[in-house]
Amino acid sequence: DAGVIQSPRHEVTEMGQEVTLRCKPISGHDYLFWYRQTMMRGLELLIYFNNNVPIDDSGMPEDRFSAKMPNASFSTLKIQPSEPRDSAVYFCASSRLATEAFFGQGTRLTVV
Amino acid sequence: AQTVTQSQPEMSVQEAETVTLSCTYDTSESDYYLFWYKQPPSRQMILVIRQEAYKQQNATENRFSVNFQKAAKSFSLKISDSQLGDAAMYFCACHSGTYKYIFGTGTRLKVLA
Repeated sequence: DAGVIQSPRHEVTEMGQEVTLRCKPISGHDYLFWYRQTMMRGLELLIYFNNNVPIDDSGMPEDRFSAKMPNASFSTLKIQPSEPRDSAVYFCASSRLATEAFFGQGTRLTVV
Repeated sequence: AQTVTQSQPEMSVQEAETVTLSCTYDTSESDYYLFWYKQPPSRQMILVIRQEAYKQQNATENRFSVNFQKAAKSFSLKISDSQLGDAAMYFCACHSGTYKYIFGTGTRLKVLA
């Protein structure tokens, strides 16, 4: 398996623009997680899905953030409109039940 | 609420020596799992070791081992024979019935040649 695949690896956008981050989980994994990593706040769980259904989105910082999982092999995290304080590395991870979470390589987002 | 605390922002170890990274956690669940992840400069999160809370025996993976003290809610990572390639951020994580993985703030490990 190719592992968790995220795209793009890097994204630079202007404040106010819409940003969409993409994730393909490992086949057969039924949990998908979106994390944000910053120096100040570390690894924050934004939202997670089970069998494509959002279970807990309490970590989503604002209504500007939204996430979808239309099928078992694809998820998106959207920020609209983006702000400079959204600059961070965004990770997607997937797992099966109690096994370890496998992470993608992350998307480094810079909002200028 | 579930919390994970890593009180050592940074640690240093001489190459070939042994170092222990600390982690404490809190969860109300009786069934949970604990993990150590390594994040090198490439930023890839790599699983180092995993411990099931119901197992009394401490997990071991080659040069990496844990000291799991369930009553104290402590889960430390010991790295033996440290190598330059061990230099990275290390994150402790707890996973329980809610299926969330909650991470500590990380410990940056420097390995001195």
